[in-house]
Amino acid sequence: EPEVTQTPSHQVTQMGQEVILRCVPISNHLYFYWYRQILGQKVEFLVSFYNNEISEKSEIFDDQFSVERPDGSNFTLKIRSTKLEDSAMYFCASSVEGIAQYFGPGTRLTVT
Amino acid sequence: ELKVEQNPLFLSMQEGKNYTIYCNYSTTSDRLYWYRQDPGKSLESLFVLLSNGAVKQEGRLMASLDTKARLSTLHITAAVHDLSATYFCAAIVETSGSRLTFGEGTQLTVNP
Repeated sequence: EPEVTQTPSHQVTQMGQEVILRCVPISNHLYFYWYRQILGQKVEFLVSFYNNEISEKSEIFDDQFSVERPDGSNFTLKIRSTKLEDSAMYFCASSVEGIAQYFGPGTRLTVT
Repeated sequence: ELKVEQNPLFLSMQEGKNYTIYCNYSTTSDRLYWYRQDPGKSLESLFVLLSNGAVKQEGRLMASLDTKARLSTLHITAAVHDLSATYFCAAIVETSGSRLTFGEGTQLTVNP
């Protein structure tokens, strides 16, 4: 069964560094999302992406964040200058029709 | 702004017993989702409820939706240890885009 994949599974970075989190959505899906989950808290929406552009973003998704679909398969989330409070699990999700969203295994980001 | 609340947040139950998790949402929602999350893992899609009165069942889990009451329930029948996990509900308002707004999660522990 097709799955969303994410790399790396765990990323440790120092405050102020840039990180890029990578996702490979399910191949025939058209809608892509990033969510995050701070340890022990609920899942929060960051951004949605459709037709090669951002369709919606949350208040969390400020100028430090960007997304890109550099080729036909990858979907990336970049954080330009990480802060301690960016430490979280980041989930990528994809959807074929914008209804059922399928989540990847997540990347645990630790900012020290 | 859409708000989603679950209760209880923690649930400890004996194997073989029945219980219900409740999910209330604050504004008219177009769809209601239930996800399961095991510790350190991703979100597994359980149900997508599309309309008022929708009921879906999979094994020992049954989900229903009452859009007039803005309430969804996840009913567990004859619980088994393997159902131990955190269960999240999430709602969408399509006019606000396709972001999922999650509840806080219900941490279910099924004791032998």
